[in-house]
Amino acid sequence: KAGVTQTPRYLIKTRGQQVTLSCSPISGHRSVSWYQQTPGQGLQFLFEYFSETQRNKGNFPGRFSGRQFSNSRSEMNVSTLELGDSALYLCASSLVPGLAGQETQYFGPGTRLLVL
Amino acid sequence: QKEVEQDPGPLSVPEGAIVSLNCTYSNSAFQYFMWYRQYSRKGPELLMYTYSSGNKEDGRFTAQVDKSSKYISLFIRDSQPSDSATYLCAISPGLIQGAQKLVFGQGTRLTINP
Repeated sequence: KAGVTQTPRYLIKTRGQQVTLSCSPISGHRSVSWYQQTPGQGLQFLFEYFSETQRNKGNFPGRFSGRQFSNSRSEMNVSTLELGDSALYLCASSLVPGLAGQETQYFGPGTRLLVL
Repeated sequence: QKEVEQDPGPLSVPEGAIVSLNCTYSNSAFQYFMWYRQYSRKGPELLMYTYSSGNKEDGRFTAQVDKSSKYISLFIRDSQPSDSATYLCAISPGLIQGAQKLVFGQGTRLTINP
């Protein structure tokens, strides 16, 4: 079974631009979560989608948004990029949220974003 | 105070040593406990998952949870150079607050020296 895939793997943008990152979950997984990883803050939860609905959101500004499609694929968007948005953005998928043993999240390789 | 505290290391041990990695957490509502391993320039890979106090063993890895002390540990026996990576503890608040909202420790960078 193929793992979580993320595209693109690397991205360079300049301040003020916007960016869209894509995530394809493991086949059959319906929940997709996004995380930001930086050396200073570590891994921080951005948001989670299930059945095309955002169920949880972390403490990030409204410039960070996402969506999920009917096939469970997800995208996240960051508008008006700032230097501090440079990070590794990780997507994780899980089978069925809320059932013990099935919340386990499997991560993709991430998209490394550099904002200049 | 962070919800999950983890010593970032770095930790360097000789091959074959027993490694002990630890995290503490502050919120007693946390229900699910995980350890992830992350190699350089890769996404985190799930190592261990548990939702109860006690020990869980998988090969050379043992995860230990003490809910009364809000303390979780990962032990690696017979450590190998291939175990060199960053180890992250992750805790989930569970169904009520969102099982998918993992809270991660800072990660401990581990090096096993041949």
